[in-house]
Amino acid sequence: DQQVKQNSPSLSVQEGRISILNCDYTNSMFDYFLWYKKYPAEGPTFLISISSIKDKNEDGRFTVFLNKSAKHLSLHIVPSQPGDSAVYFCAASPSYKYIFGTGSRLKVLA
Amino acid sequence: DAGVIQSPRHEVTEMGQEVTLRCKPISGHDYLFWYRQTMMRGLELLIYFNNNVPIDDSGMPEDRFSAKMPNASFSTLKIQPSEPRDSAVYFCASSLPSDRGHSYEQYFGPGTRLTVT
Repeated sequence: DQQVKQNSPSLSVQEGRISILNCDYTNSMFDYFLWYKKYPAEGPTFLISISSIKDKNEDGRFTVFLNKSAKHLSLHIVPSQPGDSAVYFCAASPSYKYIFGTGSRLKVLA
Repeated sequence: DAGVIQSPRHEVTEMGQEVTLRCKPISGHDYLFWYRQTMMRGLELLIYFNNNVPIDDSGMPEDRFSAKMPNASFSTLKIQPSEPRDSAVYFCASSLPSDRGHSYEQYFGPGTRLTVT
């Protein structure tokens, strides 16, 4: 049973436009959330995180939004660049372990 | 630091054979995690260690899988006997602890692509 779901397996966006990646979770006890980016043949790398006491966290072109009532988080990338083409995983953290989603493949078209 | 090191990068083996995957975490990291990535289930946590002690192995699929961490700089994940459905990419990750009750970001190795024929 997937506790963290990424329902859009792939997304294509034009360079310079906004990319929005979505993630839903089922357990209201989750209180820390993260996004990781993964290029082919490499391990995932940390991108951005958010605590449940916040509803938004921003880092440069990347912003994560958290809607606790809807159990939903999203990652916004503005503006999107071709180098952002990768698989993005969201994760929820109850204590020291992460529960990852299945990933969403983003392709940014030049 | 060289980051998390995994070996081998690729492993092809026949069904029924024993497979051993290796991981060297980042020096000073207290937590070590083993994950498996498949298309259907994404990144699944198999087991994690804190200070070389297994804390949660609830993700280990069955008794054919075992993991050890004999010291702070080395861990193995063993599959015996291997089956075709074990084919996946296996990642090792390490992290420092956090006083928030959550781990800091996890640093992943490059993964081992396992193919069982």
